[in-house]
Amino acid sequence: GQQVMQIPQYQHVQEGEDFTTYCNSSTTLSNIQWYKQRPGGHPVFLIQLVKSGEVKKQKRLTFQFGEAKKNSSLHITATQTTDVGTYFCAATLTPTNAGGTSYGKLTFGQGTILTVHP
Amino acid sequence: ETGVTQTPRHLVMGMTNKKSLKCEQHLGHNAMYWYKQSAKKPLELMFVYNFKEQTENNSVPSRFSPECPNSSHLFLHLHTLQPEDSALYLCASSQESVWYGYTFGSGTRLTVV
Repeated sequence: GQQVMQIPQYQHVQEGEDFTTYCNSSTTLSNIQWYKQRPGGHPVFLIQLVKSGEVKKQKRLTFQFGEAKKNSSLHITATQTTDVGTYFCAATLTPTNAGGTSYGKLTFGQGTILTVHP
Repeated sequence: ETGVTQTPRHLVMGMTNKKSLKCEQHLGHNAMYWYKQSAKKPLELMFVYNFKEQTENNSVPSRFSPECPNSSHLFLHLHTLQPEDSALYLCASSQESVWYGYTFGSGTRLTVV
C-alpha cells in the first residue's frame, strides 16, 4: 500500500494567497525530496531534506522536515500563477548501509495539484 | 532540455505491436530509472539500474522489458501491451540512488489502442 501520504490532493488558491502541502509516513524516513511538475511537463527536483527538524528556503518556498522524520511540508508564500503545477514529495523508506550509500528507492506521494487563480 | 533525453515523445501502438522507448543521459549519473505516471495515480517505479545492473523490478509485468547496455542509455521494450498500459513513461537518472535528486526526462506519452 501507499507508504507516503500527501495531502491535499487538490488546492485552489487566489493569487497572493499562501499554499501548503503535507507529506506523512508511518515509517521513519531517511530523507525526503520535493519535486514540481508543471502541466504537461515532467517532475523537476526542488530540494532534499535529510536532518530532523530541518528547514530550507528557496525564495517564497519553505520546506520543513519533521522532528521525528515522519512528515514534511512545503509552504509557498504569496502564490503566483507561475506556481501552478503538481508538487510531489518523495522519500526513502529503505535503510541505508553503513557506508551511506543506498540502493533503495524513492517512494513518491500522490502529489498535490495547485491551481492559482489570477 | 533536462540532460535526460527520451524518445519518442509520443507513441501510439496496437496491442500486438512491439516498440521500444529510449532514454539517454550524459550527466555522468550512475543510476537510471523507469517510472510510469497514470492519471490520478502516484508515480510508479518500474525498474532501477545502478552501474548497468538491474537492482529493482517493482513487480512489473513481463510485457515490459528493460535494457541497460551502458550507464548512459536505458531502453524499455514493449510488447503485447494492454490499453491500461497507456500512460506517461518517465526516465530519470541520478548520481546515486536516493541521496541525490533525480533528473527526469520529458517522458514518452504512450497510447495503446
